[in-house]
Amino acid sequence: AQSVTQLDSQVPVFEEAPVELRCNYSSSVSVYLFWYVQYPNQGLQLLLKYLSGSTLVKGINGFEAEFNKSQTSFHLRKPSVHISDTAEYFCAVSESQGAQKLVFGQGTRLTINP
Amino acid sequence: SAVISQKPSRDICQRGTSLTIQCQVDSQVTMMFWYRQQPGQSLTLIATANQGSEATYESGFVIDKFPISRPNLTFSTLTVSNMSPEDSSIYLCSGRLAASYEQYFGPGTRLTVT
Repeated sequence: AQSVTQLDSQVPVFEEAPVELRCNYSSSVSVYLFWYVQYPNQGLQLLLKYLSGSTLVKGINGFEAEFNKSQTSFHLRKPSVHISDTAEYFCAVSESQGAQKLVFGQGTRLTINP
Repeated sequence: SAVISQKPSRDICQRGTSLTIQCQVDSQVTMMFWYRQQPGQSLTLIATANQGSEATYESGFVIDKFPISRPNLTFSTLTVSNMSPEDSSIYLCSGRLAASYEQYFGPGTRLTVT
């Protein structure tokens, strides 16, 4: 079975500063990795995904993430955040085979301060 | 991509009653899932909705409490039966397109049980 740990429950950042949201996973099989964003009172939107290939993946809204197999991590980064990035961010993992059910981390609340 | 809609968007229900949530996808999806997001928490998978057959439930969730139907490739329902205040949550459905590893989420149904 897979599990996901998001190391920070809340991250406050000033506008235009860089940010990193940390995610570590555990799995005995090959996995796919995802980051989703949830704005207040909305559903989840896919930011980016890692399936295979280049370990640096770029997503929407200027976000990117790096897959590190040896450290079993998939940290999300943005070089300069905006007020509109205030949201809950979820890291998720699924097996690369089988039903590919998503297992989510606990979420990180990103708050951007002016 | 896929656009997923849910009805109702929110409801307030009395203890002991049942509520059926509808999920409609604008594309034919191979897999549909139902998740629960309790207040301030992450998403937990309830079940995989299988077309034309019984849903596959995760540990801790049972058919008598959460009956699910999926009569075709674009529609599913989740019923929350004999509700108690502990069932107050956001319920989200998701779908995965054929040959895609991305799950798309509906906006959620916010349920409050009094």
